[in-house]
Amino acid sequence: NAGVTQTPKFQVLKTGQSMTLQCAQDMNHNSMYWYRQDPGMGLRLIYYSASEGTTDKGEVPNGYNVSRLNKREFSLRLESAAPSQTSVYFCASSEVNSAGELFFGEGSRLTVL
Amino acid sequence: AQTVTQSQPEMSVQEAETVTLSCTYDTSESDYYLFWYKQPPSRQMILVIRQEAYKQQNATENRFSVNFQKAAKSFSLKISDSQLGDAAMYFCAYRSLFQGAQKLVFGQGTRLTINP
Repeated sequence: NAGVTQTPKFQVLKTGQSMTLQCAQDMNHNSMYWYRQDPGMGLRLIYYSASEGTTDKGEVPNGYNVSRLNKREFSLRLESAAPSQTSVYFCASSEVNSAGELFFGEGSRLTVL
Repeated sequence: AQTVTQSQPEMSVQEAETVTLSCTYDTSESDYYLFWYKQPPSRQMILVIRQEAYKQQNATENRFSVNFQKAAKSFSLKISDSQLGDAAMYFCAYRSLFQGAQKLVFGQGTRLTINP
């Protein structure tokens, strides 16, 4: 049971470099999300996609872009990485109008030097 | 906008004892969901328990139970008979009932240590 799969698990970047975090889910969920986790701040929503073809900003969208490639895949792109984007990133998915549970990937640790 | 506050950054408990983690939230909505997620060192986010605000009865899942006080906007998690495997970060989360996507708003987290 793969669930939600994120790649890569770890990445080190230099300031100004770009990269894309990939996320795929095999549960046929309509909604997908990207969160970042920082010490003392819990998880904060970056972007989400309520359904295929739609994306919306969350709480902390600056410096990020997303693409909902199809129903399964939702990618997060950092165009010009900054040290403030050093974090652990989580992708999640859920079914719309269900009892509300999100299913999370294992997280991706990104370090920007 | 809704906010969730966990005022205990760290908690510790002796194995087999009971511990309560606190969570308060702020909302103007009358119907919503509340959750507790567990994050062990593996980083995986695991749903522990869920509460629907329209249900007065407190949710329970084996050794885990909640004390949901809607008027006080309080949602604490009680872990009975603590086990070493309960050591983790615990996050309280809120979800509005009126949004198409299940956007969760998380608290800051409480790190729980189990002493053998």
